[in-house]
Amino acid sequence: GQQLNQSPQSMFIQEGEDVSMNCTSSSIFNTWLWYKQDPGEGPVLLIALYKAGELTSNGRLTAQFGITRKDSFLNISASIPSDVGIYFCAGYSNSGYALNFGKGTSLLVTP
Amino acid sequence: SAVISQKPSRDICQRGTSLTIQCQVDSQVTMMFWYRQQPGQSLTLIATANQGSEATYESGFVIDKFPISRPNLTFSTLTVSNMSPEDSSIYLCSVEGAGTEAFFGQGTRLTVV
Repeated sequence: GQQLNQSPQSMFIQEGEDVSMNCTSSSIFNTWLWYKQDPGEGPVLLIALYKAGELTSNGRLTAQFGITRKDSFLNISASIPSDVGIYFCAGYSNSGYALNFGKGTSLLVTP
Repeated sequence: SAVISQKPSRDICQRGTSLTIQCQVDSQVTMMFWYRQQPGQSLTLIATANQGSEATYESGFVIDKFPISRPNLTFSTLTVSNMSPEDSSIYLCSVEGAGTEAFFGQGTRLTVV
């Protein structure tokens, strides 16, 4: 599969702060997905993006499909303790059917 | 979104034995996917299971080690055969939604001792 570079690897922030993480690929993607995984659970879909330039929000979460189709970012505003978890980017490239995953961003939020 | 149930949710198994993981979906789906997530790692696709045909395995995964069944459009099983401690992972079942987004079960946490 395609290699996705997700950064940062981990973040340790205070409650109320905004968070930004991003994902880049070496090839063009036609779908970008953002997931959150809590300990002992499967990944839960947060946001799905299907068009270059698309900006989509889900509550305090906002994600964008990069105009070059090789990147995406996820922002979380006004973080709260329940935002703690691992966030994964994922996407489908033009050349494959398999979903490619980034290595994840581990988010810790202190009260 | 699809509701996906996996059983068991966790298990501790002896090396050399096999474990079969079940995945049940609340709607009919064409393709079901099996992933492995090793400790602290991202998800890696093991295979794609289509009803009525043999599963398609990704590089590094073979049918003898991970046999898959797909008897109907709502159910699949993954067997982890002849287990070793290196097989300790979370195994996840997934299906596609209407817009190619993927939905996951809660996973099966396997520990091999």
